[in-house]
Amino acid sequence: EIVLTQSPGTLSLSPGERATLSCRASQSVSSSYLAWYQQKPGQAPRLLIYGASSRATGIPDRFSGSGSGTDFTLTISRLEPEDFAVYYCQQYGSSPAFGQGTKVEIK
Amino acid sequence: QITLKESGPTLVKPTQTLTLTCTFSGFSLSTSGVGVGWIRQPPGKALEWLALIYWDDDKRYSPSLKSRLTITKDTSKNQVVLTMTNMDPVDTATYYCAHSLGLVIKWGWFDPWGQGTLVTVSS
Repeated sequence: EIVLTQSPGTLSLSPGERATLSCRASQSVSSSYLAWYQQKPGQAPRLLIYGASSRATGIPDRFSGSGSGTDFTLTISRLEPEDFAVYYCQQYGSSPAFGQGTKVEIK
Repeated sequence: QITLKESGPTLVKPTQTLTLTCTFSGFSLSTSGVGVGWIRQPPGKALEWLALIYWDDDKRYSPSLKSRLTITKDTSKNQVVLTMTNMDPVDTATYYCAHSLGLVIKWGWFDPWGQGTLVTVSS
């Protein structure tokens, strides 16, 4: 079973800044089968990225994903006020697993 | 447009069996590649995948919870049902169902999600 570790736990940034979120897998994720989600308080998660780097429908291009093997990154190029939320990675190359989340908060 | 909605009890007692229903629209669970999954989230904690069922009735379960879970589908009613036995207070969580596509492999991302339903386990 693959375990995903996200870092940092909390990221304190200002609007307009760049956010870099990390997701590390305990073993290689097949064919970059990795997704990223955004979750705001009281809401269900929303898919941002699948296949490690493909943006889901309607997702702004300030969100980008990269990585392969065991190391993946979600980058938000310039934070908008609505981007402050919790972000989760999920691998689906085998039995699905989620990371523990990274909270992006306003500094 | 794909939508999903979870329904079921908001409160269950320890040792009872939880039954949750996911009612969906905008897709068919008889279409090749289509799946519906269940994911839960304890208050203030991370997401945890529970189970998946596919168009061909292939069923997948979280290894850690497999003995307690059963997932079934009713294609004619556009519903997926999850049962979890022997509920405990640690199972208190928001339970989500979500659409999934297993095209190349029978695993996939989840999109979209239902709004979730909070289930509290307490005597």
